[in-house]
Amino acid sequence: DAGITQSPRYKITETGRQVTLMCHQTWSHSYMFWYRQDLGHGLRLIYYSAAADITDKGEVPDGYVVSRSKTENFPLTLESATRSQTSVYFCASSLPGNSPLHFGNGTRLTVT
Amino acid sequence: KQEVTQIPAALSVPEGENLVLNCSFTDSAIYNLQWFRQDPGKGLTSLLLIQSSQREQTSGRLNASLDKSSGRSTLYIAASQPGDSATYLCAAGGAAGNKLTFGGGTRVLVKP
Repeated sequence: DAGITQSPRYKITETGRQVTLMCHQTWSHSYMFWYRQDLGHGLRLIYYSAAADITDKGEVPDGYVVSRSKTENFPLTLESATRSQTSVYFCASSLPGNSPLHFGNGTRLTVT
Repeated sequence: KQEVTQIPAALSVPEGENLVLNCSFTDSAIYNLQWFRQDPGKGLTSLLLIQSSQREQTSGRLNASLDKSSGRSTLYIAASQPGDSATYLCAAGGAAGNKLTFGGGTRVLVKP
């Protein structure tokens, strides 16, 4: 089915470990985004990408790395996980201009 | 820096009553204003997108208005149903419209 898929849905990891969250979309949308959602802070933009090989920082990029070698994939890596990175992570995509964002179902990450 | 606020954070209405959800933003230089719905444990679903040149947008029982000069948008849901129970988020689109700043959301409960 067409759409945006995130994996895994749930992840528990230990402080200091590297973890990668995957995002795949089948619409060929040029724009892709990573948000985190936390109680009290709402949704905050981590990184975004306007096209393959073009990425830029959002509001809270520290501790995260992204890459986009193919249009359909936009993985998010936590290089050395910290407890403050415990959150629900959402990937989204859109066409350029006045187009709505389409979200995946999220990855709930717990860092112990 | 754009700031988006949604008040109240939660509200409860009896079935059949019209819902009025408020969204305010600090920077009127927006590209668009988007409304989303989020069900527990799920991603966000796009409801309506109002371009900066538009005053309102309608889809079925949903109507959203935009007043850039006052920094406000309102989502109206006519004849509410229990299935409308969810969290509703608004988001202001900045330059090129693809980076969104989200409000904290309004959690709605429609009682049968």
